[in-house]
Amino acid sequence: NAGVTQTPKFQVLKTGQSMTLQCAQDMNHEYMSWYRQDPGMGLRLIHYSVGAGITDQGEVPNGYNVSRSTTEDFPLRLLSAAPSQTSVYFCATTGGYTGGYGYTFGSGTRLTVV
Amino acid sequence: QKEVEQDPGPLSVPEGAIVSLNCTYSNSAFQYFMWYRQYSRKGPELLMYTYSSGNKEDGRFTAQVDKSSKYISLFIRDSQPSDSATYLCAMSLLTGGGNKLTFGTGTQLKVEL
Repeated sequence: NAGVTQTPKFQVLKTGQSMTLQCAQDMNHEYMSWYRQDPGMGLRLIHYSVGAGITDQGEVPNGYNVSRSTTEDFPLRLLSAAPSQTSVYFCATTGGYTGGYGYTFGSGTRLTVV
Repeated sequence: QKEVEQDPGPLSVPEGAIVSLNCTYSNSAFQYFMWYRQYSRKGPELLMYTYSSGNKEDGRFTAQVDKSSKYISLFIRDSQPSDSATYLCAMSLLTGGGNKLTFGTGTQLKVEL
């Protein structure tokens, strides 16, 4: 049982390039989300989805795009990478987005934009 | 002011010590309180979860919530080197978009032999 799988684990991009961070879960959870983690800032919500075909913005959505065509997958797209997007990105899922459930996180993607 | 405040540490203790980790928050609407442990270069993993004020115990870990003071704590008894990690508090409330977490910045803990 893999839980939440993120790929790639590491990536270096040049400013202006685009890329997609992949997230897949085998827990059959409806709720999926993307966070970025920066020193001194904690984990901040980028986008989230409460089910296939439904997405919404979090706290820091600018420069990122998401879609949710299946329950299992929730890719995060960087449209035109900027150095400010250098961060560690985590995908997370929970079985109870209506409250009272913990989240399961992937192992992260470390992104550097030069 | 951040909604959730957490001392970043680092906190260094000898093996066997009792560790106290704390967070304060400003939003009285928070309903669920969690502690996550994050090892270096890994994703956070859920340690403890609680809903109401009071204490919840799980092995060497005790989570404490005081809603009147907007203060939560995590106590680790008989700390071990394997407890060395960053501990993140997290809180959530129900919104129109579902249950969203707000995290503290994390406290780095090192348990030394």
